[in-house]
Amino acid sequence: EPEVTQTPSHQVTQMGQEVILRCVPISNHLYFYWYRQILGQKVEFLVSFYNNEISEKSEIFDDQFSVERPDGSNFTLKIRSTKLEDSAMYFCAGGELYTGELFFGEGSRLTVL
Amino acid sequence: GENVEQHPSTLSVQEGDSAVIKCTYSDSASNYFPWYKQELGKGPQLIIDIRSNVGEKKDQRIAVTLNKTAKHFSLHITETQPEDSAVYFCAAGDSGGGADGLTFGKGTHLIIQP
Repeated sequence: EPEVTQTPSHQVTQMGQEVILRCVPISNHLYFYWYRQILGQKVEFLVSFYNNEISEKSEIFDDQFSVERPDGSNFTLKIRSTKLEDSAMYFCAGGELYTGELFFGEGSRLTVL
Repeated sequence: GENVEQHPSTLSVQEGDSAVIKCTYSDSASNYFPWYKQELGKGPQLIIDIRSNVGEKKDQRIAVTLNKTAKHFSLHITETQPEDSAVYFCAAGDSGGGADGLTFGKGTHLIIQP
């Protein structure tokens, strides 16, 4: 069964450093998403991406964040200058049009020191 | 925007008993209501969903009900087993998919006591 894969599974970084989280979505999905989950809290929407551009973004997704799909398969989330409060699990998800169903990856745990 | 409330935050039941988790939503335009199960250290996995043209859906031991008028939906797990222990999230969104994604509840930590 096809699945969403994310790398790295865990990254530790110093405050102020740049981080790139990578995702390989399921090939026939058209919409891609990044969600964040701070430890013990709910899953929060960050951004959606369709047809090589951002479709929607939340208040959390400020100028420090960016997304791109550089080569038609990978989908990346970049945090330009990490802050302590960026420590969380980051989930990539993908979905088809007209179903509403989202399929999540296993997540990347980001720890900012 | 959509707001999803979920209760309880923790639910402990005896193995073999039933568990019920309830959610309410605020946006009457939402018409897709999935439930996700999240095991420790893993991503959310879709276990069942319901769309607004249906009032109830069942899949083996799991059922979901939807009351559109009251804007609430519930997850029912019967004959609970130890492997049902996990965090369960309800969510609301658009059945056509698209830009807004899903809005999640805060999660329910379900504990199955042997």
